[in-house]
Amino acid sequence: NAGVTQTPKFRILKIGQSMTLQCTQDMNHNYMYWYRQDPGMGLKLIYYSVGAGITDKGEVPNGYNVSRSTTEDFPLRLELAAPSQTSVYFCASSYSSLAGGSEQFFGPGTRLTVL
Amino acid sequence: AQKVTQAQTEISVVEKEDVTLDCVYETRDTTYYLFWYKQPPSGELVFLIRRNSFDEQNEISGRYSWNFQKSTSSFNFTITASQVVDSAVYFCALSPTSGTYKYIFGTGTRLKVLA
Repeated sequence: NAGVTQTPKFRILKIGQSMTLQCTQDMNHNYMYWYRQDPGMGLKLIYYSVGAGITDKGEVPNGYNVSRSTTEDFPLRLELAAPSQTSVYFCASSYSSLAGGSEQFFGPGTRLTVL
Repeated sequence: AQKVTQAQTEISVVEKEDVTLDCVYETRDTTYYLFWYKQPPSGELVFLIRRNSFDEQNEISGRYSWNFQKSTSSFNFTITASQVVDSAVYFCALSPTSGTYKYIFGTGTRLKVLA
């Protein structure tokens, strides 16, 4: 299993540009998450999904959009990039059962700089 | 409201010293999970432990041990005989046992182990 994969690893954007961060998991997890980690800070939840076709906002959703058309994929779209979106972005997934949630498995991260 | 506090921003120790990382949480849920993750300089997030709120037994895994005390809402992490490879940022996180399993992360503690 590859686990959670993210592309690209690094990206530099100009202000106003758009891009999509890709995230794929091969563990058949129903829950997926997008976080951002600013320098020296913890992780803040941007969006999450509890299954294909179902997404919801986290703490810091402004400036981002997501979709979940399949169990495996959970892309994050940045529209009109701003310097405040310079961060490291992590995708994560987890499974759930009647017993409760599991640990989250994280991708390697995408380092995004907006100039 | 749910909150995780890691009051120690950065700790430096000399190799072979023991070190304890503090984690204090707030939640109104009666059942929840607590987690510790390690983020080494390479940047990925590595799962260390998950603890259910019903299980207050301490856990030991090699040089790592965890002390969960519901009475003080703490879930502290001790590294015995620290090594340079333990240098990382360590995050504590809280999650409910039902619903969306969203994590609440602490801001992390940076541990530097000096040779």
